[in-house]
Amino acid sequence: DIVMTQSPDSLAVSLGERATIKCKSSQSVLDGSNNKNYLAWYQQKPGQPPKLLIYWASTRESGVPDRFSGSGSGTDFTLTISSLQPEDVAVYYCQNYYTTPTWTFGQGTKVEVK
Amino acid sequence: QVQLVQSGAEVKNPGASVTVSCKASGYSFTTYYIQWVRQAPGEGLEWVGIINPRGGAATYAQRLQGRLTLTRDTSTSTVHMELSSLRSEDTAVYYCARVSMEKGAFDMWGQGTRVTVSS
Repeated sequence: DIVMTQSPDSLAVSLGERATIKCKSSQSVLDGSNNKNYLAWYQQKPGQPPKLLIYWASTRESGVPDRFSGSGSGTDFTLTISSLQPEDVAVYYCQNYYTTPTWTFGQGTKVEVK
Repeated sequence: QVQLVQSGAEVKNPGASVTVSCKASGYSFTTYYIQWVRQAPGEGLEWVGIINPRGGAATYAQRLQGRLTLTRDTSTSTVHMELSSLRSEDTAVYYCARVSMEKGAFDMWGQGTRVTVSS
């Protein structure tokens, strides 16, 4: 199975400041035939199910604020929150869906307000 | 609107079985795969299995092979997850989610069902 490793495990950011989360996969999730990275990002708030934020590594889901952005290719990916808002406090997970139909998640990154 | 509604919380003894249901509405049930993810208390997300509602074919996480069964009922647009020979480490919130072929990712999630295994 592809192993997804996120860093850091947690971070505290001041309101209005940038938050950056890294995700590294143990093998490439880039499909050369369509040039798509099979990588998604989810946000999970306490007591709620995860919510899809980003798919194909950089495509924002409908309704997701544009302060959230995804980047990267191959094995290294980044989720950036450009200006942290109070409602962004959550745990964020990356997910590989290259190895369909078995998927793997990163261990999660907890984002808090400093 | 599009939604997945799961059955209620369960408390089971070790060695028992549990069935969690996930009812889909607001879209064509047989068009989207349904997958299951679980989350132990204070832990991350673990992929459990997936089912194709069109033909009923399912794939399971290797660590749950032999204990997990996914089935679907197209007449009620419902997917059922049965986990047998329950152990304390199966205690978790179980989520169903819809797989979007367009996005490749899970774009709609159920509210979650807490399963507690305790004697």
